[in-house]
Amino acid sequence: EIVLTQSPATLSLSPGDRATLSCRASQSISSSLVWYQQKPGQAPRLLIYDASNRATGIPVRFSGSGSGTDFTLTISSLEPEDFAVYYCQQRSNWPITFGQGTRLEIK
Amino acid sequence: EVHLLESGGGLVQPGGSLRLSCEASGFTFRNYPMTWVRQAPGKGLEWVSSIDTSGLERYYADSVKGRFTVSRDNSKNTLHLQMNSLRAEDTAVYYCAKYSGSGTRVFDYWGQGTLVTVSS
Repeated sequence: EIVLTQSPATLSLSPGDRATLSCRASQSISSSLVWYQQKPGQAPRLLIYDASNRATGIPVRFSGSGSGTDFTLTISSLEPEDFAVYYCQQRSNWPITFGQGTRLEIK
Repeated sequence: EVHLLESGGGLVQPGGSLRLSCEASGFTFRNYPMTWVRQAPGKGLEWVSSIDTSGLERYYADSVKGRFTVSRDNSKNTLHLQMNSLRAEDTAVYYCAKYSGSGTRVFDYWGQGTLVTVSS
């Protein structure tokens, strides 16, 4: 099973700041990495697929990068609605696995 | 507009059974693999099971293998999850989600979830 480790567990920033979230895989997954956003009481929302491709309707301030084992989700300038929990997911191998999440909170 | 609506959750005793359903609309259901993902209270996301378009290929997390069965009825645009021998650790919100395309394992639309509570 591929283990995904997200860091930091919690990130405290202010609106307008740049956010950098990390996801590390226990073995190479090429570019088979997906990012989701989840707000309290809501279902997850697809943000990024294949490491760097924005999903339909996702603002350009969200970008993804990385390949192999190290991946990054960057939010260039935080909006109030961006404060949420972010999960990475690998789609390379069965079983599908998720990271434990990074909580992005308002400082 | 894609819409996924889960139902069938509730309170069940340990060892009991429950059948979840997910009604799909707004897309051609038979053309897309589907998946179940769960989230225990206050915890992260855990993939549970996936099924291909025909229903012949099914995949399960080790934690539910042998106890849960995923199925689909393409004539009724409905996905199911039969859950047997339920345990306290199965307590979670269960989401159904649609694959973005065949074989992608990218979940582009999600339902709002149904809560399953396993407790005596």
